Amino acid sequence: AQTIHQWPVAEIKAVGSPLSLGCTIKGKSSPNLYWYWQATGGTLQQLFYSITVGQVESVVQLNLSASRPKDDQFILSTEKLLLSHSGFYLCAWSLDGAGNTLYFGEGSRLIVV
Amino acid sequence: QQQVRQSPQSLTVWEGETAILNCSYEDSTFDYFPWYHQFPGESPALLIAIRPVSNKKEDGRFTIFFNKREKKFSLHIADSQPGDSATYFCAASEIAYKVIFGKGTHLHVLP
Repeated sequence: AQTIHQWPVAEIKAVGSPLSLGCTIKGKSSPNLYWYWQATGGTLQQLFYSITVGQVESVVQLNLSASRPKDDQFILSTEKLLLSHSGFYLCAWSLDGAGNTLYFGEGSRLIVV
Repeated sequence: QQQVRQSPQSLTVWEGETAILNCSYEDSTFDYFPWYHQFPGESPALLIAIRPVSNKKEDGRFTIFFNKREKKFSLHIADSQPGDSATYFCAASEIAYKVIFGKGTHLHVLP
């Protein structure tokens, strides 16, 4: 069975500090990977997607970057956090293309102060 | 910008009633229309989905009605239960791995 794990579960960070969120998928080779952001009570905004190792496509610019260093790992980062980065970050995977189910991780809750 | 519009923002029904959630879209290239639900503090999870080749999809108490001509689709939750209380997101996907979500409907089912 496939499992998806995100870390950390929650963080409180200062404005201007760096951030790194991680996501690991086990039990599925070469998954399509996604990062989503959700403001409290808000919708799900797609940030990045990756079809293969080393390739990441940006969907919206929010002063964030993403990398896929391994087939089963997806990293979201920034060098300088903004207050507007606060929210719920969700990693997801899908089997093949956009016409399939997104399976979300548990999420990482970020508060920027 | 491609959009998926969802209404109502909030919906309250009594236990046993049918809840109806609505969505519309603009881009004819969308070819997959899922509904996700999200309970407080949890991640979204797929509830049911439909492709444009069908105009109706049922799964237990949950039914999607799809109108390709009007670019609208809706989720009907029959015999609503208090445990159905959650936020429901409709979505649409196109080529190039982009999935666009609606703003969500907060459903409250009163016992």
